[in-house]
Parts: sequence; C-alpha cells; structure tokens
Amino acid sequence: AQKITQTQPGMFVQEKEAVTLDCTYDTSDPSYGLFWYKQPSSGEMIFLIYQGSYDQQNATEGRYSLNFQKARKSANLVISASQLGDSAMYFCAMRASNSGYALNFGKGTSLLVTP
Amino acid sequence: DAGVIQSPRHEVTEMGQEVTLRCKPISGHDYLFWYRQTMMRGLELLIYFNNNVPIDDSGMPEDRFSAKMPNASFSTLKIQPSEPRDSAVYFCASSLYSPMNTEAFFGQGTRLTVV
Repeated sequence: AQKITQTQPGMFVQEKEAVTLDCTYDTSDPSYGLFWYKQPSSGEMIFLIYQGSYDQQNATEGRYSLNFQKARKSANLVISASQLGDSAMYFCAMRASNSGYALNFGKGTSLLVTP
Repeated sequence: DAGVIQSPRHEVTEMGQEVTLRCKPISGHDYLFWYRQTMMRGLELLIYFNNNVPIDDSGMPEDRFSAKMPNASFSTLKIQPSEPRDSAVYFCASSLYSPMNTEAFFGQGTRLTVV
C-alpha cells in the first residue's frame, strides 16, 4: 500500500520569499509518479507539477520546483517569490503501478502568504 | 474540450433521500476517479475506473454508496439512503491512458449537504 504524508498543516510565508512544503511517501514500487496540486479557496483543484521516479532531474514549472530525494522518499514543493495569490491548500499525490495507478493524496498543507 | 464536467454543483437533500452525482470526463481519458473531501478526512479516493471498468472500490464507505460508468463519457455516484455525515464536496477527475506521467484533471466538484 502507498502512503503520502504532509506533516505541515499550516505554513506562513511573506510575499516575495521562498517556501518549501514537505511531502514524504512510502511505496515498494520502483515505478511511480508524484504530483502537486493547489486548491484555492474557490475550491478547484489545479495541477502544478509532476515528478517521475526515474526522472534524473528535479521538475520545475515556473516558480514551482520539486526537491526530489528518492532515497529519503521525499518530494518537497518549493515555491519561489511567493505571491498573495499563492495562498491556498497544497496537496501532494502519488500514483504507482502496484496500486493500480490509483491517485492518492496527502492531507494537504494550508499556505498563507502575507504582505 | 470543456474539461471534466460535474453536475449538480450544489445539492441539498433530506436524510434518507437518494442522491445521484454525475460526471462527464474529458474525451479520450481512460481513467476516472471519484473523491470525497471533508475537513476531517481530507481528499479520500472512493473508487476509480479504467476503460469504464471499476478497478478499486475499497474507498467506498458503505453499501449505501455505488458508482457506475456505463460508457466512456459518463459516470455516476449514487448514495441511497443519504445521511448527514455524507455531507462533503465530491470531486470527479479523469486522466489519460498513460497514467504515470499525466496528471488528473478535476471537475469543479459537487457540494452535497444532507439535512
């Protein structure tokens, strides 16, 4: 069985600063994918970034980057130059072949960006 | 494509009534997921389909919940009879046939209130 853990229920960051949201996972499958989603207060789920278990480099998408440490089974999301609009819930998720490619989510981290 | 379409957006029903939530996935997507989101339990995967076939329904909370996917463009989640503890936001999501490196796209969700 796979498990995704987000240990930070809430985080604060000042505008223009960088922030790291933690995610650890547990799977016995060597082939898996890791995803981050953003959920603003309006409720929609927005895909941010993907990292494959065999990817050699950390994924980046604009101001989002993924600090992937395979041996430690962590996939932390780094948001650079935070903006007020980044205030939202952030979810880490995983898919693995040995779980039938189900997309399972962590509990999420609430991020508040302050002026 | 219009994205994943869920209906209704909001549903208020009385305890004991049958509730049917509907989802139209993105055309060409082979995976379809149903989630329930509450403050207490976060995002729970209820059931998911691959090529219209249910793969894992272990997340369905009780026999009161059932889901079907009669064709590639339509799925339903039914609760009969409904109870106040079923109040939540229900999301449908779909993804392409290559599950490892493609994200799931979410609908806007159905906010269910059972009184």
